Amino acid sequence: GAVVSQHPSRVICKSGTSVKIECRSLDFQATTMFWYRQFPKKSLMLMATSNEGSKATYEQGVEKDKFLINHASLTLSTLTVTSAHPEDSSFYICSAREGPQDSPLHFGNGTRLTVT
Amino acid sequence: SQKIEQNSEALNIQEGKTATLTCNYTNYSPAYLQWYRQDPGRGPVFLLLIRENEKEKRKERLKVTFDTTLKQSLFHITASQPADSATYLCALDKGTGGFKTIFGAGTRLFVKA
Repeated sequence: GAVVSQHPSRVICKSGTSVKIECRSLDFQATTMFWYRQFPKKSLMLMATSNEGSKATYEQGVEKDKFLINHASLTLSTLTVTSAHPEDSSFYICSAREGPQDSPLHFGNGTRLTVT
Repeated sequence: SQKIEQNSEALNIQEGKTATLTCNYTNYSPAYLQWYRQDPGRGPVFLLLIRENEKEKRKERLKVTFDTTLKQSLFHITASQPADSATYLCALDKGTGGFKTIFGAGTRLFVKA
């Protein structure tokens, strides 16, 4: 089955630094990937849609300059949290579809970001 | 506003019983609805997808129903096992805007041996 790999699984950084999270589709090509954020015991919140070869589409209320997304190839999307602050601490998860637009999402195992 | 509601209280059941989880939505007209399983510290895993013209769908011990009039989906796990303990998420396509998938907050299921 389709596998999405996300790295790192955990990261601790100091306030003011930037952190890059990678999301790879291992056995399929993904022209579109989705980045979610999840707070404890809360729903996954869609942050942005990452489009291969073009700009990402951000959901309302998500700062595009804060959360930089790059989708440089059909198998790799990256999310960079810039100038991180403690309130950015969260669980970030990427996902992609293997098939058409109405097919299910395959998720990575998430990245636990802690900003001290 | 658009909402997806799942019972926020945890569901505790005895092994062997049927677990039934509810998903209600408002201000959506989804073409399909999905259920995912999420274990602590992991990404969600897809379980079942049911389309608007389907009333019921089954996969092994899982059954999903979809009532577009009531705007509700029920998710059943029959002969539940402790390994079924997890959080179960209901998800809908956002419709306009590129088939984005929006999730409910999930219901935590505990199956006791």
